[in-house]
Amino acid sequence: NAGVMQNPRHLVRRRGQEARLRCSPMKGHSHVYWYRQLPEEGLKFMVYLQKENIIDESGMPKERFSAEFPKEGPSILRIQQVVRGDSAAYFCASSPVQASDTEAFFGQGTRLTVV
Amino acid sequence: DQQVKQNSPSLSVQEGRISILNCDYTNSMFDYFLWYKKYPAEGPTFLISISSIKDKNEDGRFTVFLNKSAKHLSLHIVPSQPGDSAVYFCAATPLTSGSRLTFGEGTQLTVNP
Repeated sequence: NAGVMQNPRHLVRRRGQEARLRCSPMKGHSHVYWYRQLPEEGLKFMVYLQKENIIDESGMPKERFSAEFPKEGPSILRIQQVVRGDSAAYFCASSPVQASDTEAFFGQGTRLTVV
Repeated sequence: DQQVKQNSPSLSVQEGRISILNCDYTNSMFDYFLWYKKYPAEGPTFLISISSIKDKNEDGRFTVFLNKSAKHLSLHIVPSQPGDSAVYFCAATPLTSGSRLTFGEGTQLTVNP
């Protein structure tokens, strides 16, 4: 049973370009969470999705960031017109249900560098 | 507004001794608490959790203690091993929020042989 798969592992974008980060949850998991870790900080919740639904995007910046989890295929975190401050590690986690006593399993992350 | 705080950025202990990592929280809505371990260039790995109905949970060398009145939890690792060297994150969530976790800043644990 493969774990949470994120790709690419490393992504370099120039300022103003778009970044697309992909996350395939663990088999049987229908809940996906995206987190961002800025340098020297803890992980910050961004968005929680189920298939074809955004459940909670309270942690997402209001502009340039969007997320989706289509019926088929991986979840996508999209950052438009990237700026240097978007440089961070972006982690995806998945869980089988929305249960507080079920830990989320994390992927290895995508390290975005904006140059 | 840092709702989960780990005040020690780093901790160094000798192999075989006890490691104690601390975490404080401010949000009274938090009911479920987790510890994650993270190696460089990898994602966080779940270690142990505790519900607010308990004050202690043990799993092998790892024990988590919860003091609700003080809004404080701690992770004890005994005996500590060099392979335990990593960043440890405390996380918390309300019962209704699933895996929408609020993380602390992390503590870098170094276990010296």
